[in-house]
Amino acid sequence: EIVMTQSPATLSVSPGERATLSCRASQSVSSDLAWYQQKPGQAPRLLIYGASTRATGIPARFSGSGSGTEFTLTISGLQSEDFAVYYCQQYNSWPPAFGQGTKVEIK
Amino acid sequence: QVQLVQSGPEVKEPGASVKVSCKASGYTFTGYYLHWVRQTPGQGIEWMGWINPNGGGTNYAQKFQDRVTMTRDTSISTAYMELSRLKSDDTAVYFCALRPVAGPKPIFDYWGQGTLVTVSS
Repeated sequence: EIVMTQSPATLSVSPGERATLSCRASQSVSSDLAWYQQKPGQAPRLLIYGASTRATGIPARFSGSGSGTEFTLTISGLQSEDFAVYYCQQYNSWPPAFGQGTKVEIK
Repeated sequence: QVQLVQSGPEVKEPGASVKVSCKASGYTFTGYYLHWVRQTPGQGIEWMGWINPNGGGTNYAQKFQDRVTMTRDTSISTAYMELSRLKSDDTAVYFCALRPVAGPKPIFDYWGQGTLVTVSS
């Protein structure tokens, strides 16, 4: 089974700044990588799939990059509604696996 | 618009079973695979399996293989996830989720609101 590792666990960022989140897979997942945002008491929300394709309705300030085992989610110009927990998930092989999450908090 | 509405919170004793429902609307229920995912403080987010509402075929994660059963009732566009022999570490929020495209690819565009299952004596 593929293990997904996210870093850092917590990221403190000021509104308007850029946040860079990392995700590493224990073996190559090609570009079969998704990112989700989750706020307290809510289900996760799909942001990115295919490593870099924004899901429907996702603002352009969210961008994803990477392939193989190293991936990055960048949030440019953080807005108040962006402070949340972010998860990466591989779907290249079964079972699909999620990382443990990065919490983006207000600095 | 696609909606997945799940059943309410449950409290169960260890060793019991729980059955969570997920009522779908806004799309052709038999057209797309539906997945179940759970979230715990300790294990994070875990994929449990999928069901193909068109025919009822299933695929379960090995971890849950001997304890989970996924079924559906096409007449009411509802999917079910039953987990048996509950343990305290099954305490979690259980979600149904789907991607409205053909095939079981586990990318989750739509989620239910989640069902909290608490296992406690």
